[in-house]
Amino acid sequence: KAGVTQTPRYLIKTRGQQVTLSCSPISGHRSVSWYQQTPGQGLQFLFEYFSETQRNKGNFPGRFSGRQFSNSRSEMNVSTLELGDSALYLCASSLLSRTGGTYEQYFGPGTRLTVT
Amino acid sequence: GQNIDQPTEMTATEGAIVQINCTYQTSGFNGLFWYQQHAGEAPTFLSYNVLDGLEEKGRFSSFLSRSKGYSYLLLKELQMKDSASYLCAVRDTGKSNYQLIWGAGTKLIIKP
Repeated sequence: KAGVTQTPRYLIKTRGQQVTLSCSPISGHRSVSWYQQTPGQGLQFLFEYFSETQRNKGNFPGRFSGRQFSNSRSEMNVSTLELGDSALYLCASSLLSRTGGTYEQYFGPGTRLTVT
Repeated sequence: GQNIDQPTEMTATEGAIVQINCTYQTSGFNGLFWYQQHAGEAPTFLSYNVLDGLEEKGRFSSFLSRSKGYSYLLLKELQMKDSASYLCAVRDTGKSNYQLIWGAGTKLIIKP
């Protein structure tokens, strides 16, 4: 079974530009979550999508947005990039339990974004 | 508010045993996860506890006490490859859709 894939793996952008990152979950997983991780920091939750709907949202500004397609693939977009947006962006997919919580998450390799 | 505390960094010796603690204060509780993350790589799932007690999985064990809001990850027979960050995450029923709350992680350094 193929794992979670993310593209691109590396990206260099200039301040003020926008960027779109892509994530393909494990087949059958309909929950996709996005995280930001900066050096020495834990995972900062961005948002979670399930069946094309945003289920949860973290405390990030509106410049960060996402969406999910009918095949469960997800994209996140960051507009008007700032230097502080330089980070590793991780995508994770999982199954959903009957109670509504996610089972264990499987992470993709991440996209390392550098904003200059 | 929601809070998960883990030690920032720990050091242990190859072949020894180490215990990484995680305490949490959340509105509700519906399970606790441990993940391992090697430098420059994505986190990988280690264990899940939802009931009190010890779950053993090879060299790794995870313990949960819901009344104390406390969990630990026990690593036995440490190997150099165990050098990594260990992340604790709690499924909070007080948050919409049982959102996962993450700790900042514990960096474990193994010395020969």
